[in-house]
Amino acid sequence: GQQVMQIPQYQHVQEGEDFTTYCNSSTTLSNIQWYKQRPGGHPVFLIQLVKSGEVKKQKRLTFQFGEAKKNSSLHITATQTTDVGTYFCAGRSGGYNKLIFGAGTRLAVHP
Amino acid sequence: DTEVTQTPKHLVMGMTNKKSLKCEQHMGHRAMYWYKQKAKKPPELMFVYSYEKLSINESVPSRFSPECPNSSLLNLHLHALQPEDSALYLCASSQVDNYYEQYFGPGTRLTVT
Repeated sequence: GQQVMQIPQYQHVQEGEDFTTYCNSSTTLSNIQWYKQRPGGHPVFLIQLVKSGEVKKQKRLTFQFGEAKKNSSLHITATQTTDVGTYFCAGRSGGYNKLIFGAGTRLAVHP
Repeated sequence: DTEVTQTPKHLVMGMTNKKSLKCEQHMGHRAMYWYKQKAKKPPELMFVYSYEKLSINESVPSRFSPECPNSSLLNLHLHALQPEDSALYLCASSQVDNYYEQYFGPGTRLTVT
């Protein structure tokens, strides 16, 4: 079945350092979404990528979708304490009518 | 209004109890979802309703029974749960199907004793 692998599982950085999380799918994805879940909170939608090679930016966050539409990344430049939380990717492939979530990357930011 | 509401926030129930979780959205979304989330794990899909009809049941045990009374409401009826069912239960909605972004509610923290 469809699987979405996400690494690293956990990362802690000093405030101001950069952070990247990666997702890889066993199948070609029709779209990939990214969500952020703060500690004690619920997942909040960040962005969706649809096109091969797509790059989208939101302030300090940069999202990429691979050329083969099997991988994606989220990069945060100059992390802040407000970036703390778990970042999930969630992908959908044409044959599956549901989103498959990656395991998530927990980000800790030390001031 | 981009909010999904869920009640109750917390629920403690015994293994012989019957209880219900409720979810509501007023965004005009036609797809609604129930997820189960254990600590430090991703949300795990349980059910999907599309246009008020059950479209996906991820082989969830029958002690969980979903219901969609109308396009704005989603219920999850619980009966004879097990302690391992203790988790955060999240409701979500999206425009039509999961091609669109999902809006999650705050969840119900369920403890089964």
